[in-house]
Amino acid sequence: DQQVKQNSPSLSVQEGRISILNCDYTNSMFDYFLWYKKYPAEGPTFLISISSIKDKNEDGRFTVFLNKSAKHLSLHIVPSQPGDSAVYFCAASSGGSQGNLIFGKGTKLSVKP
Amino acid sequence: DTAVSQTPKYLVTQMGNDKSIKCEQNLGHDTMYWYKQDSKKFLKIMFSYNNKELIINETVPNRFSPKSPDKAHLNLHINSLELGDSAVYFCASKRQGGSYEQYFGPGTRLTVT
Repeated sequence: DQQVKQNSPSLSVQEGRISILNCDYTNSMFDYFLWYKKYPAEGPTFLISISSIKDKNEDGRFTVFLNKSAKHLSLHIVPSQPGDSAVYFCAASSGGSQGNLIFGKGTKLSVKP
Repeated sequence: DTAVSQTPKYLVTQMGNDKSIKCEQNLGHDTMYWYKQDSKKFLKIMFSYNNKELIINETVPNRFSPKSPDKAHLNLHINSLELGDSAVYFCASKRQGGSYEQYFGPGTRLTVT
């Protein structure tokens, strides 16, 4: 049973526009959420995170929004650039001694020039 | 000066063989992980390990075993390889306590024929 769901396998956006990637979770014990970006033949790289005590975190062109009541988070990229084309993974953690992450299946973002 | 490195990047082998994948991190992190990304693109935790505790995902066959010669290394040994073991394996590391961000290696694509 998937605890972290990314229901859109792909998203295509025009350069300069906003990209919105969505993620839903089922486990109310999750208290920290992360977004990773992955290029082909490379490992995932950390992008941005948010604690469950916040509803928004911003870093440059990237903003993550968290709606705890809906168990939903989203990543906004503004403005989108062709170099943002990659697979984006949502991940969640409930803490614990080793901070294991549960990943979604990923959304492939294509930003067209 | 790669933070998390894995060798080899590609591994092709026959069913029944025993193989190892090496992982090294130079970040001074205390906790290391192995993930498997299968054909459906799910990233699933296999093991998490620090100098005090090994946590094994209960779904991982006991043919898989992590070996840590020191804090900077966590190698993955696989005995009696099966076709279903074909996947991309990622190593990751994290600083103990504090943040949840994990840093990933570039992955090892294992193909069992």
